[in-house]
Amino acid sequence: AQSVTQLGSHVSVSEGALVLLRCNYSSSVPPYLFWYVQYPNQGLQLLLKYTSAATLVKGINGFEAEFKKSETSFHLTKPSAHMSDAAEYFCAVSHNQGGKLIFGQGTELSVKP
Amino acid sequence: GAGVSQTPSNKVTEKGKYVELRCDPISGHTALYWYRQSLGQGPEFLIYFQGTGAADDSGLPNDRFFAVRPEGSVSTLKIQRTERGDSAVYLCASSPRQGQTDTQYFGPGTRLTVL
Repeated sequence: AQSVTQLGSHVSVSEGALVLLRCNYSSSVPPYLFWYVQYPNQGLQLLLKYTSAATLVKGINGFEAEFKKSETSFHLTKPSAHMSDAAEYFCAVSHNQGGKLIFGQGTELSVKP
Repeated sequence: GAGVSQTPSNKVTEKGKYVELRCDPISGHTALYWYRQSLGQGPEFLIYFQGTGAADDSGLPNDRFFAVRPEGSVSTLKIQRTERGDSAVYLCASSPRQGQTDTQYFGPGTRLTVL
C-alpha cells in the first residue's frame, strides 16, 4: 500500500527564514509525488511534482523539493519565507492504478513578520 | 480558461435528507476525481471516472454514496440519508487523462454540513 506522512501539523517561521516542510512516503513501486498548497477558502493548487525525470524539482513561488529514494523523502523547501506563503501544504503520492492521489495529513505554515 | 467549478459552495441539510453535489470539470478533461476532506485532515479519495464510467469507486464509504457522470463531463455526487459524520468539504478534481503523473486540477469544494 502507498502512503505519505507529513511530520509536523504546524510549522511557524519568520519572514525571510528558510521554509522546510517534511514528507516521507511508503510505496512498493516507484512513486510519483506531489505537493499541493491550499490557501484559505481556495481550492488545492499544485506547487510541484516528481515524475522521475529529475530528483530536484522546482515549482511555483520559489518552492522546490528533492526526491531522496534512500530516505523515502520528498521534503519541500523555500529559501526565504514570505507572508503570502501562509497556507496549508499537502504532500501526496499518486496511486499506481489510475492516478488517484493519497494525501498526507497536511502541514499548516504560519509566517511571522 | 475556466477552472473546475463546484456547486453549491455551501450546503446545510438535516440528518436523513438527500443531497446532490455538482462538479463541472475543465473542458476536455477525461478524468474526474472526487475527494472528501474532513476538518484537519488531508483529502481522501472517494471515486474517479474515466469518461462516463466509474473506474474506481473503492473510496466510497458505503452504499449511501453514489456518483454519476452520464455524458463524460459534469459529475454529480449523491448522498442518501445523510448523517452528521458526512459533514466535510467535498472536492472535485479533473485531469486531462488518468495517468499517474498527470496533474489534477481542483475545484474550490462544497462544504456540506449535516445538522
